[in-house]
Amino acid sequence: EAGVAQSPRYKIIEKRQSVAFWCNPISGHATLYWYQQILGQGPKLLIQFQNNGVVDDSQLPKDRFSAERLKGVDSTLKIQPAKLEDSAVYLCASSTRQGAYEQYFGPGTRLTVT
Amino acid sequence: GNSVTQMEGPVTLSEEAFLTINCTYTATGYPSLFWYVQYPGEGLQLLLKATKADDKGSNKGFEATYRKETTSFHLEKGSVQVSDSAVYFCALSLDGNNRLAFGKGNQVVVIP
Repeated sequence: EAGVAQSPRYKIIEKRQSVAFWCNPISGHATLYWYQQILGQGPKLLIQFQNNGVVDDSQLPKDRFSAERLKGVDSTLKIQPAKLEDSAVYLCASSTRQGAYEQYFGPGTRLTVT
Repeated sequence: GNSVTQMEGPVTLSEEAFLTINCTYTATGYPSLFWYVQYPGEGLQLLLKATKADDKGSNKGFEATYRKETTSFHLEKGSVQVSDSAVYFCALSLDGNNRLAFGKGNQVVVIP
């Protein structure tokens, strides 16, 4: 079974530029999560989708971050404009259903904002 | 709020040594507790879990017991191997959505 795929793996941009990350969850997984992991900290949940609907986006900085999951499969996370403090690894995870205990994580996208 | 605290700093130990990584939590209800592990170059993966007080989660020789009285979920392994070198994260979830709150993680380095 293929795991969670993310791209790109690495991205370097200048502040005030925009960037987008892509996630393809495990086939059939209804729930998708985006996390932000700043160096030296644990992952922090940004947004959770159930199929193509948002379950929780309370920690998403909506003035600059947006996310969508069209058709309930792939998802994109966008930052516009980026700030220096957005430098982090962005992790995508999926699970079989809402409330399922195990989340399956992708390798992450490492973003550096200069 | 709901949070997880892990002991500070990396852990370096010799092969076959005993490993303990401390984890305590603060929660308004009765959370489910998890340990996730991140091996070098790989994504996070679930190591073990416990969903109610006094439950013991175990996997790959690792164990952790859900202690409500001390609000703790310490990870232990009796004899570590070099292949156990990784970053270990303690996490909790409180609701039916299984939204995870992670600790800062501990880097474990096992030297031969």
